[in-house]
Amino acid sequence: DTAVSQTPKYLVTQMGNDKSIKCEQNLGHDTMYWYKQDSKKFLKIMFSYNNKELIINETVPNRFSPKSPDKAHLNLHINSLELGDSAVYFCASSPPLGGSGNTIYFGEGSWLTVV
Amino acid sequence: EDQVTQSPEALRLQEGESSSLNCSYTVSGLRGLFWYRQDPGKGPEFLFTLYSAGEEKEKERLKATLTKKESFLHITAPKPEDSATYLCAVPFSGTYKYIFGTGTRLKVLA
Repeated sequence: DTAVSQTPKYLVTQMGNDKSIKCEQNLGHDTMYWYKQDSKKFLKIMFSYNNKELIINETVPNRFSPKSPDKAHLNLHINSLELGDSAVYFCASSPPLGGSGNTIYFGEGSWLTVV
Repeated sequence: EDQVTQSPEALRLQEGESSSLNCSYTVSGLRGLFWYRQDPGKGPEFLFTLYSAGEEKEKERLKATLTKKESFLHITAPKPEDSATYLCAVPFSGTYKYIFGTGTRLKVLA
């Protein structure tokens, strides 16, 4: 069983379209994340939810909206897609955040190409 | 300012040629340093967590060490299947955000 699964894996779409990426984790973790990896392989956090509550909201265009219907799911909706949104988007999860850092487990990534 | 820097950016080794990757960090109150391996087309895969200076962790041909300013990932007698990008990450001071380094792309030639 895949621990953190996200769909779709590949997505090619036209500028101006709206698209969603879905993520599910079966690790029983309370915290989930969306990361963006650019062409230079730099991983940058976008959002984090802890038990359905938004706790990290980086400087991301408001065209990006995360939604967490329950603690096992975190979706990412992107409105009015732009060429610069082309990247790999990783969903991840971790145990509850506490005094010590906790290991983050990543999904396989969703390759978004905007044409 | 919290920072994580990895070096070298890329490394080519012959099979069996041991080497080390570096991850330098500046963060107040380290709450863990994490090493990941990322294969092309895949998500980062967790390797090790180190919490305090002097700590070491090993897994097959990999050994991670930690000082107060940096961590090393030592690769002993690497094989072609060790080829990947190796990333390190630390939590930002006082937050739950993790800073990732830009990674070291390792290529091991047969």
